[in-house]
Amino acid sequence: AQSVTQLDSHVSVSEGTPVLLRCNYSSSYSPSLFWYVQHPNKGLQLLLKYTSAATLVKGINGFEAEFKKSETSFHLTKPSAHMSDAAEYFCVVSDPGSSNTGKLIFGQGTTLQVKP
Amino acid sequence: KAGVTQTPRYLIKTRGQQVTLSCSPISGHRSVSWYQQTPGQGLQFLFEYFSETQRNKGNFPGRFSGRQFSNSRSEMNVSTLELGDSALYLCASSPGGQETQYFGPGTRLLVL
Repeated sequence: AQSVTQLDSHVSVSEGTPVLLRCNYSSSYSPSLFWYVQHPNKGLQLLLKYTSAATLVKGINGFEAEFKKSETSFHLTKPSAHMSDAAEYFCVVSDPGSSNTGKLIFGQGTTLQVKP
Repeated sequence: KAGVTQTPRYLIKTRGQQVTLSCSPISGHRSVSWYQQTPGQGLQFLFEYFSETQRNKGNFPGRFSGRQFSNSRSEMNVSTLELGDSALYLCASSPGGQETQYFGPGTRLLVL
């Protein structure tokens, strides 16, 4: 069974400092992994996607994530936080099996607070 | 291309009523998935439609149903509303269901 665990429910950083949001996954297959961001009262925006082409994935707004199969992790990082990065972040897994079409499994989310 | 659109954006209903939410996918996308987002349960998969057929379903009671039209637009219906159905309902579209999903802004449903 697939599952996703986001290790921190809340992360607080100062503007200009690095961001690290941690995610571990469990999957029986070779999964697709995503990070989505949700700003208040908005839908979900795709930050980046891993599909086995490269273990280091670059996304929008300076975010990147590294897939580590041995650690079953897919942590999201950004070198320097901006005030506009304050939002809810979701780590998501999708197994490619035919019985799982259209189904994403979401972590519980990490709220990122950016202090001035 | 225009993004995924959802209507209405906000709804207030009372217990026992039913509600229909609409989702228009990105042009050319044939798969539409629906999700429920609540503070307690997070984001949970409801169902997925492709070519007017439900291909996948999450663990929700039969009060939650959906359909898809020939133009790929989708509706979901919740009958006999309960207080616990208050949530943000998100739909997402993708070309065939296995690719990246793109989300709409959601419909926020409040059941009183």
